[in-house]
Order: sequence, then structure tokens, then C-alpha cells
Amino acid sequence: GENVEQHPSTLSVQEGDSAVIKCTYSDSASNYFPWYKQELGKRPQLIIDIRSNVGEKKDQRIAVTLNKTAKHFSLHITETQPEDSAVYFCANRDGGYNKLIFGAGTRLAVHP
Amino acid sequence: SAVISQKPSRDICQRGTSLTIQCQVDSQVTMMFWYRQQPGQSLTLIATANQGSEATYESGFVIDKFPISRPNLTFSTLTVSNMSPEDSSIYLCSVARGSGSENEQFFGPGTRLTVL
Repeated sequence: GENVEQHPSTLSVQEGDSAVIKCTYSDSASNYFPWYKQELGKRPQLIIDIRSNVGEKKDQRIAVTLNKTAKHFSLHITETQPEDSAVYFCANRDGGYNKLIFGAGTRLAVHP
Repeated sequence: SAVISQKPSRDICQRGTSLTIQCQVDSQVTMMFWYRQQPGQSLTLIATANQGSEATYESGFVIDKFPISRPNLTFSTLTVSNMSPEDSSIYLCSVARGSGSENEQFFGPGTRLTVL
């Protein structure tokens, strides 16, 4: 069935550095790729998403890139800050516009 | 986004009992889902709650264990039946707003369930 692989599982960076998280997917009909940030004890929050008709989308310090040919998409965080520390989940939606399939998550730690 | 509330926020239950979790949204949504998140793990879809018809369950989840209701477009319940300690988890309601490929999905605050 469909699956999403997410790497790395943990990522530790110094404040001000960049962080990159990558996901690969298997369903070639997928057309929607959101990223969620989950802080400890909180609900997952949608932070950015990209649809299959574009290759890159930016929102301030975060950006997402999509390569449909290779079936992978990545989250880029620049100028990281301690408040970026959280678990990040990628997801993709099946071609029927219904359920989201989630990656295993990346625990990002930004050290001051 | 949507304003999503869940009740209860947490509960401690004895094995063999059942708990019903409620999810309320502030406006009509196209789709509602129930997820489980075990400690330190990702989000696993239990089922899609269908308004006016039976829920659509994912592999590994069955209606007898996780009965779901969705009487209207803003409310759904998930029951965890005949609980065991393995059911200890966070249960999250999620809603999709928008149509077709344009819809975005948001999560409720979750219900933290501990089964003794």
C-alpha cells in the first residue's frame, strides 16, 4: 500500500543553521503534501503545504520543495531558532483527495 | 483553520470498560477523521467518519472495537470499547475543510487515554 518514508528521525542543529527534512512517497497519484509541526503535548499544526502543480513554496523561514518525478519532497528551515524545536511530520494525500498518510516524524532540536 | 474541540481532554480508565470521545467543530466540514498517536510515534488513521453512514475503517481497525458516529457535519464521536492497556494513547479528531484537492486538514487538541 501507500507509504511515506521520512529522514532523518532526529536532527540536531545550532541556532542560526539550516535544517532539511526529506520524505519519499510511493503513490504516484498523490497531489498534496503538507508538513505538520508538533510541539510537546500539543496537537499537530499545519505549517506549510505544496500541491503537485508547483515545485517550491516559501513562507518566511520555511520552504518546501517537491520533485514529482523522483517522488520526494523536502522541508527547509533557515536561520533556525530554539522555538523551531519540535517533531515535524510530512504527509501526502492519496489520489482520491481523502486520507493523509504520515511519515514517522523528525525530532528537531535547535541548540542556542 | 477550524476551531476543533474534544472531550474529554484526558481520562484514566479500567480495562474492560469503554470510553466515548466527542469532537465538535465550529462550522461544517467536508470530512472528519479519527487518528491514534501512541507515545513517541506518528499519526495512524483509525477511520474516516462519514456523515449519515458507517465509518470507513483502515486496516487493523474494526467497528466493534472503535465504533464511530457522525450525526451531522460538525460533530463526531469515537468509542474505544473493551479497553486494554494497549489502547493507552492519544486519540485525535481531524477535519478537512475545502473541496477536492484544495482541502486542508486540521487537528483537534487530542484526548489522552490511559488504561490501567
